[in-house]
Amino acid sequence: EIVMTQSPATLSVSPGERATLSCRASQSVSSNLAWYQQKPGQAPRLLIYGASTRATGIPARFSGSGSGTEFTLTISSLQSEDFAVYYCQQYNNWPRWTFGQGTKVEIK
Amino acid sequence: EVQLVESGGGLVQPGRSLRLSCTASGFTFGDYAMSWFRQAPGKGLEWVGFIRSKAYGGTTEYAASVKGRFTISRDDSKSIAYLQMNSLKTEDTAVYYCTRFDRWLPRIWGQGTLVTVSS
Repeated sequence: EIVMTQSPATLSVSPGERATLSCRASQSVSSNLAWYQQKPGQAPRLLIYGASTRATGIPARFSGSGSGTEFTLTISSLQSEDFAVYYCQQYNNWPRWTFGQGTKVEIK
Repeated sequence: EVQLVESGGGLVQPGRSLRLSCTASGFTFGDYAMSWFRQAPGKGLEWVGFIRSKAYGGTTEYAASVKGRFTISRDDSKSIAYLQMNSLKTEDTAVYYCTRFDRWLPRIWGQGTLVTVSS
């Protein structure tokens, strides 16, 4: 099983500031990495796939980078609606998808 | 509008069974593979199982944690996917999500249904 590890567990950021979230895979997943956003009581929403491609309707302030085992999600200027939990997911081994444990982005 | 609606969740005793349904609308259900995920209270996301479309044999795969206890099936005539859960354990308590598979990813998610396994 490919283990995904996210850091930090919690990120405290002020509105308008930049947020940088990290995700590491236990073995190479190439660029087969996705990011999801989840708000309380809601299903996850796909933000990024292919490590850096935004899904339909996702604002340009969300960007992804990385390949192999190291990945980053950057939110360039946090808006109030961006405070949520973010998960990375590998799909190199689909359908045996695995997720990181999540990073909670909270208001500082 | 593409939509997935899960139903069938509730409170069940350990060792008993429960069947979840996922009703699809807004697309040709039979053309797509479907998958189930779950999320225990306050925890992260876990893949549960997957069923291919009939064009790809309709075969299934399961996570090790549920293999032999859970079964996924589909009724393309009704646009419904099922998750049959047997021999339930307290650690199966979670919100269960149905998803539509598209280009290697679960891109469309339902709103989820809560399953609580407790005596």
